[in-house]
This record gives sequence, structure tokens and C-alpha cells, in this order.
Amino acid sequence: GAVVSQHPSRVICKSGTSVKIECRSLDFQATTMFWYRQFPKQSLMLMATSNEGSKATYEQGVEKDKFLINHASLTLSTLTVTSAHPEDSSFYICSAEPGQGYTEAFFGQGTRLTVV
Amino acid sequence: ILNVEQSPQSLHVQEGDSTNFTCSFPSSNFYALHWYRWETAKSPEALFVMTLNGDEKKKGRISATLNTKEGYSYLYIKGSQPEDSATYLCAFFNYGQNFVFGPGTRLSVLP
Repeated sequence: GAVVSQHPSRVICKSGTSVKIECRSLDFQATTMFWYRQFPKQSLMLMATSNEGSKATYEQGVEKDKFLINHASLTLSTLTVTSAHPEDSSFYICSAEPGQGYTEAFFGQGTRLTVV
Repeated sequence: ILNVEQSPQSLHVQEGDSTNFTCSFPSSNFYALHWYRWETAKSPEALFVMTLNGDEKKKGRISATLNTKEGYSYLYIKGSQPEDSATYLCAFFNYGQNFVFGPGTRLSVLP
């Protein structure tokens, strides 16, 4: 099946620094990628929809200036957590779909971010 | 705010038992309903993508049904095995292109 690669899988950073997470679709072109966040014992929460070549669409309550999303190519989207704080510590995961909604989504492995 | 619910929240069954869980979603502007299995330390894996009312899909011992008019889907596992232990997520996709996940059902199959 299709593969989505996400890096890094785990990162610890100091408060105030920025962290970049990459999401790559390895064997298909993903016009759209999705970024999710999961806090402990909660469901996956959609943060933003990343569209190749255009600005990301953010969900209500997600700060676009804090969570910078770049989708420069059909196979790569990046999420940068800027000026990270301990409350940003969470599990971040991306997904990509060859088609919008009517095909299955392929997920990355997720990134566990800990801000100290 | 779109609300997708799943029940039960967690489930413990014995090996060999059959089980089922429910996903409830808004019935308006329905586009697709996805089921995923998420094992610990792995990526969520797609089980089914369902788009038509009355759809029934099957993959091995796992099957799912869909009722878009009343807004629910059932996932069935026949003869549960320890390797079926995982969190099962449903995700609702509507014409507004909102993609909302349910909170998941955590299944533990005891040998």
C-alpha cells in the first residue's frame, strides 16, 4: 500500500524554540495533506488541511502563526511549531489521500513533541 | 461543530468472541465514512471507506455497515484474535470537506 513518511518520530525541544515536522508521500502525489494533533486520551483533532501550492486551511482555534504549514510540492508538507511552549507538547500526525475523502487516507508514523 | 461519536469507549473480549462497535455521525451532507485500525506504535491503517447508504464491506473477519440516513456505522469483528487488539477509529467526511474523527473504541482481546 501507499506509504507516508513522517519525521522526526520524537523530538524534545526547549521552550521558545521552533520545531519542523516533515510529512512525505513516498509513492503517490498528494494534492492535499492533513495535520492532526492528539492530546492524551483524546481523539485525533484536525488542525489544518494543507493544499499544494496554496495556503493551508486551519481549523477553528488553531493559530496559523504558531503552526506554520508549507506544502511546497505534491509529496511534501511541513508543519513548523514556532516558539514552542510546554502546552504544545502533543502527538502530531499527518495523513495524505490520493483522492479527497472517497479514498482511504494514509498516515505518517506520528511525531511525539515534548517541550521542556 | 461536527460531532462524531463512538461506542463503547473501550471493550475487553475473550479470544474467539465476536464483537461490534458503533460510530455515529451527522446525517446531513454526508460524503464518506472511513474506518481505521490504530495499533500502538504504528500508523493508523485504513479498513474501509464507505460512501453509499446500505454499504456493507468485508475484509477477512472484519466487516462494516453504513446507514447514512440515520447517521451510524457498525464495525463487526468475528472470532476476535489477540492481534485485533487496537483502537478502532471512524472518520466522517462531508461535502464541506470537513474530516472529523471519532474518539475511537479501544479493543483488547484476551487470549
